[in-house]
Order: sequence, then structure tokens, then C-alpha cells
Amino acid sequence: KAGVTQTPRYLIKTRGQQVTLSCSPISGHRSVSWYQQTPGQGLQFLFEYFSETQRNKGNFPGRFSGRQFSNSRSEMNVSTLELGDSALYLCASSYKQGFVDEQYFGPGTRLTVT
Amino acid sequence: GDSVTQMEGPVTLSEEACLTINCTYTATGYPSLFWYVQYPGEGLQLLLKATKADDKGSNKGFEATYRKETTSFHLEKGSVQVSDSAVYFCALSDVGSQGNLIFGKGTKLSVKP
Repeated sequence: KAGVTQTPRYLIKTRGQQVTLSCSPISGHRSVSWYQQTPGQGLQFLFEYFSETQRNKGNFPGRFSGRQFSNSRSEMNVSTLELGDSALYLCASSYKQGFVDEQYFGPGTRLTVT
Repeated sequence: GDSVTQMEGPVTLSEEACLTINCTYTATGYPSLFWYVQYPGEGLQLLLKATKADDKGSNKGFEATYRKETTSFHLEKGSVQVSDSAVYFCALSDVGSQGNLIFGKGTKLSVKP
């Protein structure tokens, strides 16, 4: 089975711009979660989608948003970029058959805001 | 709220040395516990997991036992290799986190030949 894929792998944007990141989950996985990883804050949960519905959301401003398509692929969008948004954005998928399920991570998108 | 605390790094060991990375947690319910590993420039890989008290997760020579009485899930390996150099993250998932992962800060391990 192919793993979780994320595109693009690297991105450089200017402060004030917006960006869209894409994630394709493992085939058959219906849940997609997004995490932000920074040296200072570590790994923080952004949001989770299941069957095109956002089920959970972390403590991030409204500039961070996402969506999931009928094929389970997911995108996250960050508007009005700030320097502090520079991070590695990780997507993870799981089957979510039960309430607690292991998650499989993609390689991440490295976003640099200048 | 739920949280995970793991030992600060970096940890530097010689090849074939024993490894222990401490991890303790605070959780609302009865969490599942995980160790993930991140190699340079890559995403996270699931190393092992345990879903209930006294379970032992193991993989690639690494082991961790779910200790409910001490709320701990320490990662151990008897003989590390240079290829084990990476960052290790302890994580939990339970009702309090609504099923999503809460991570520790990570521990960087460097193994010298």
C-alpha cells in the first residue's frame, strides 16, 4: 500500500500571502489529521477530518482552515501568513474504525515564510 | 488536560549501549500510548504502541511497557546502533484528546560508532 503523500514538500511564501497544502491518505483511510511542528512548540494538533467533516480542531486561529474531499484527500489553507507560521506541516491518516486508532504520517510540507 | 512529558535531550550514546527514554503522561481516561520516531528530513513513523495497562509494545529491538500505576511508558533498547539516531516522540490518544495525538517534546538520540 502506498503511504501518506503530501505536496508540495517545500514551500517559500511571503508574509501576508496565503498557502494551500495537500495530503493524500493511505487508501481506505477515512480520517485525516494535520499537525504543525516547530522547534519551539513541538508537535501541535491543528484539525481532523472524517468523511468530509471536521470533527476536531486544535487551538489555532481562524487563519488556519482545511477541508476533505469525497476521496478522503485533504487540503489545509493558511491565509495572511505570518513569520511564525514557518513550520513543518504533517498530515496523518488513520482508518479510525474505533475511537482510538494509530495514525500514519506523511513526510510533511516544510513551509518557510519570509 | 491530557499531556505527555518526556526526558529532555539530546542523548548521546556509544554503539551497543543501553537506551532508556522516560515518558510519563496525564490523561482523562484510559489512553493508548505510542512511540514515534522521526529521522532527519522525514515525517513520523510509528515505532510501537500499547493500548491497555501492562501491554508491552515492541519493534526493531525497542520495547515499552504501559504502566498505569506510574503513568509511564518508557522506551528501552538493549543495544543501540548508529542507525537509531533520530528524534523519538512519546504520544497518547484518548477521550480527553478526542482521539487525536498529544505529543511529548521529543528526545534527540545520537549514537556514535
